[in-house]
Amino acid sequence: EAQVTQNPRYLITVTGKKLTVTCSQNMNHEYMSWYRQDPGLGLRQIYYSMNVEVTDKGDVPEGYKVSRKEKRNFPLILESPSPNQTSLYFCASTPTWTEEGYTFGSGTRLTVV
Amino acid sequence: DAKTTQPNSMESNEEEPVHLPCNHSTISGTDYIHWYRQLPSQGPEYVIHGLTSNVNNRMASLAIAEDRKSSTLILHRATLRDAAVYYCILRDVEEYGNKLVFGAGTILRVKS
Repeated sequence: EAQVTQNPRYLITVTGKKLTVTCSQNMNHEYMSWYRQDPGLGLRQIYYSMNVEVTDKGDVPEGYKVSRKEKRNFPLILESPSPNQTSLYFCASTPTWTEEGYTFGSGTRLTVV
Repeated sequence: DAKTTQPNSMESNEEEPVHLPCNHSTISGTDYIHWYRQLPSQGPEYVIHGLTSNVNNRMASLAIAEDRKSSTLILHRATLRDAAVYYCILRDVEEYGNKLVFGAGTILRVKS
């Protein structure tokens, strides 16, 4: 089944403790992206990657890092999480330079205390 | 990014058709019209997209105005499982970054 898989689904952590949220897709898509969703603010793009080793900032990149060493994986790294990064995170993928739809993961609910 | 305008919420009866409108008066020639929906506690789900002509798939139909300044997502027979937030988004395939910009969307409530 074509899908985007995120792990973990739920995570509670403490301020300052580095964490990684993994994202993997099995559709050979070049493009991958991370969004966060917050009440009243909607879905906002954090980072995106047009292909392997090509990453760019989205609208809200502060406090996050990403890497794209392989086509299928696009992990989101929080080096020093803070409570304002408590949010619902979604990973998505799509073929680049096409009009095709995105495929989204099921989400990771992160709580930073 | 070209903007879209959708009603905040709509209500439908089960088994009846639903027409979800979207206005996009500043659409450019390279913008595709995309629709996504987000069910409670799930990630957004692609529904349909189109450029100029009306489109049909197993989930819905997309009717695009001749001047492309508006479009309508049509669910032919609403079910309780269709209750979700529906997003109308313009996607410029020539724009570097491929970004989807989500607005507030339309909350669709389906009554049994």
